[in-house]
Formats: sequence, structure tokens, C-alpha cells
Amino acid sequence: TQLLEQSPQFLSIQEGENLTVYCNSSSVFSSLQWYRQEPGEGPVLLVTVVTGGEVKKLKRLTFQFGDARKDSSLHITAAQPGDTGLYLCAGAWETSGSRLTFGEGTQLTVNP
Amino acid sequence: KAGVTQTPRYLIKTRGQQVTLSCSPISGHRSVSWYQQTPGQGLQFLFEYFSETQRNKGNFPGRFSGRQFSNSRSEMNVSTLELGDSALYLCASSPGEGFSPLHFGNGTRLTVT
Repeated sequence: TQLLEQSPQFLSIQEGENLTVYCNSSSVFSSLQWYRQEPGEGPVLLVTVVTGGEVKKLKRLTFQFGDARKDSSLHITAAQPGDTGLYLCAGAWETSGSRLTFGEGTQLTVNP
Repeated sequence: KAGVTQTPRYLIKTRGQQVTLSCSPISGHRSVSWYQQTPGQGLQFLFEYFSETQRNKGNFPGRFSGRQFSNSRSEMNVSTLELGDSALYLCASSPGEGFSPLHFGNGTRLTVT
């Protein structure tokens, strides 16, 4: 059983469309991170959220941490082909050091 | 600042053999952690080393081991390879305190035949 459930698993959209990726858990995390991974490369950190209800914006990307710190969402406005990649959410506890629990990922393809 | 460097990038081994993977962290980072990435299981935590000591360990068999040197470089060893060990092995470094973000290398792609 995956501790962090991501949905959808695959998403193929046209350039200019909006999309939302969800990351849900039954566990409470101290922090939640979002990464993007491109083929042949390691994941790259996009954002870290630590406070329940926190909203962070990174250009066209908006990240939200649920009030109960069990879930998170990533919203992309006006998607571009350069947004194509594998989006991963990862939860951490205060005592877990660098041990992150990753979701299975959402493979996003933005078609021109 | 140089990123996390993993060597080799690709490896092909035969079942039963052993393999050693290497990771050089970002300068100044004291924590190195290892993850296994497969299509079916996603990213799974193997272990973390901080200042040459194993600080955390995932749920992998004892065939998977690691170590960290005084310069923070780390190696991971897998003995008696099985077909199921075929995966992308990712190393990540961080300062190691608080919610430090992880900086991943580009991984070593291991294929076991």
C-alpha cells in the first residue's frame, strides 16, 4: 500500500490548458515537497510546504498544503510543453532526516 | 557549485554478481541518501548517511549496504544481484539539518541479466 497516493497517474493535455495534480495520504507529514523529474535526470525540487493551509506560487505553478497536513495539490496554469515531466510529491517527518516517502508520480505530457 | 555526481551512469551485471555505485555530494553537504526507482514501485528509500554514520535505513534486504567517507562521498553496494534489482539508483545530498531539500544526482541505471 502506497503511503502517498498521487492522481492522476498520467495526464496528457494541450498547451494552454490548466491542470491539477493531487497527493493524498492518511498520514500527517511535517513537510511535503514537490519534485519534477525529466528523462535521464534526477528529480529537481520545486517547492517545500510545511504549514497546514500554506499556498506557494512559483510562476504558473501553485502548490497547496492541506489544513491537516495530509494532502497537497499542484495546479499549473496555461501549461506549456516545457512543463512536461514526472511530478513527484514526497512527505517527510521531523525525525526522518533525509528519508522521504514518495508518491508514485504523475507523468504529465503537454502537447504543442 | 558542482551538483551531485554519480558514477557510473550505466551498469550491466549478471545475476549473482555484486556491484558498487559511487556518489559525490555537493561540497559542504554532510548527508547522502540513496533511493531506488523502478516503474512499479516508484522511489523507495534505501538508507541515509550523515557524517559517516548510517542515520536511517529503509526496508531493503541486507544485500544492500552503503558507507560514507570522511569527505562525505558515499558508496552503495549490492551483493548477490537479482533480476529485480534492475533499477535507477539515485543519490541525493543535503546539508542534513531540518527540512533541507534534497539535491539528486542523475542516477546509475543498473540492469541485471
